[in-house]
Amino acid sequence: AQTVTQSQPEMSVQEAETVTLSCTYDTSENNYYLFWYKQPPSRQMILVIRQEAYKQQNATENRFSVNFQKAAKSFSLKISDSQLGDTAMYFCAFMMTLSGAGSYQLTFGKGTKLSVIP
Amino acid sequence: NAGVTQTPKFQVLKTGQSMTLQCAQDMNHEYMSWYRQDPGMGLRLIHYSVGAGITDQGEVPNGYNVSRSTTEDFPLRLLSAAPSQTSVYFCASRQSGQTYGYTFGSGTRLTVV
Repeated sequence: AQTVTQSQPEMSVQEAETVTLSCTYDTSENNYYLFWYKQPPSRQMILVIRQEAYKQQNATENRFSVNFQKAAKSFSLKISDSQLGDTAMYFCAFMMTLSGAGSYQLTFGKGTKLSVIP
Repeated sequence: NAGVTQTPKFQVLKTGQSMTLQCAQDMNHEYMSWYRQDPGMGLRLIHYSVGAGITDQGEVPNGYNVSRSTTEDFPLRLLSAAPSQTSVYFCASRQSGQTYGYTFGSGTRLTVV
């Protein structure tokens, strides 16, 4: 079974600064996807960024980028120029791409609560 | 608007009561899943479906039933509610073959007293 670990339950960052959220995972599979989801106080789950394991290039989406280290099984999220609207819970998630029982389902970490301070 | 619709948004049940959480999607997605979110636990998979008529258990299935008679709908049934089932429940869906992760509903906050 896959496991996802987010070791930082809470973090804070000053507005306009940069913050990095950590995520490690454990799997014996070679083909998979990794995701970061954002959950603001509204409770909605919003996809922030995704990474395919077979791609060496790190994914970027505007102010959000990842540092994907496949050998180390690490998938951190960097938020640049933090904004007040970035205040939320952030969940790292793993999804296998092979068919079979339980595959294609998301396995989540426990989340990191990020507060952006004005 | 296209997406995943969950009803109700809030519900209070008494211990032992039964109820059904509704989930509907209009994107013709084959995969649908139910998760529960508890403080400090992240989201945990309850049941999932890979198509109409096909369901399977996730990590925490006890106390919950599901069925998938149509592509659009994936209801979650609590047969005899217990206080341990107090949680926020999310339904999510995804098209097979696409890799953009799941689309989530807005959640149902359930309190069992």
